[in-house]
Amino acid sequence: SAVISQKPSRDICQRGTSLTIQCQVDSQVTMMFWYRQQPGQSLTLIATANQGSEATYESGFVIDKFPISRPNLTFSTLTVSNMSPEDSSIYLCSVLEGGGKNGYTFGSGTRLTVV
Amino acid sequence: QKEVEQNSGPLSVPEGAIASLNCTYSDRVSQSFFWYRQYSGKSPELIMSIYSNGDKEDGRFTAQLNKASQYVSLLIRDSQPSDSATYLCAADNAGNMLTFGGGTRLMVKP
Repeated sequence: SAVISQKPSRDICQRGTSLTIQCQVDSQVTMMFWYRQQPGQSLTLIATANQGSEATYESGFVIDKFPISRPNLTFSTLTVSNMSPEDSSIYLCSVLEGGGKNGYTFGSGTRLTVV
Repeated sequence: QKEVEQNSGPLSVPEGAIASLNCTYSDRVSQSFFWYRQYSGKSPELIMSIYSNGDKEDGRFTAQLNKASQYVSLLIRDSQPSDSATYLCAADNAGNMLTFGGGTRLMVKP
């Protein structure tokens, strides 16, 4: 299965600042997904990132708050902008394996705390 | 709205017992179902997938699917303390995306 390197693994940020999270995949993938997991909660899809096109955002998430880049088939970034304490979560990138038959593989996650 | 429902637990079982984790889904279009294990502070790890009605076994894990009842389950035989984690059920939907349930926390007591 794909190996995904995600960084930073954790960060503590001041409110009002921005943080960019990077994900590097060891193989070319068409679709990458960004998830948020708030404390004690399950995974919520933020957006789907396809190379060469704008990311597709889920209801409740907007590009101004969570801009995403996908410059090639192995790399993507998610920026959490103008952060507030409510943005404190784990952020995960993931890729689809085997055309969907093998589910997702997840990066190691970024634990963000906003103070 | 497409939903995947799980009992949040915690489900507590003694070491060596069978742990039974359950999940229901609302979208009849879903064809593929997945169980993920997530240890505290770690990212989810795929442990089982199932696509057809019936049982699928892999070592100590058995996934069960009943599409008519829209029900998926995961059985863990001979539960070990190292199985203590949150188990997430997921169902596919249109566009190759997965919808995740809220997770069930399993505690295996020595």
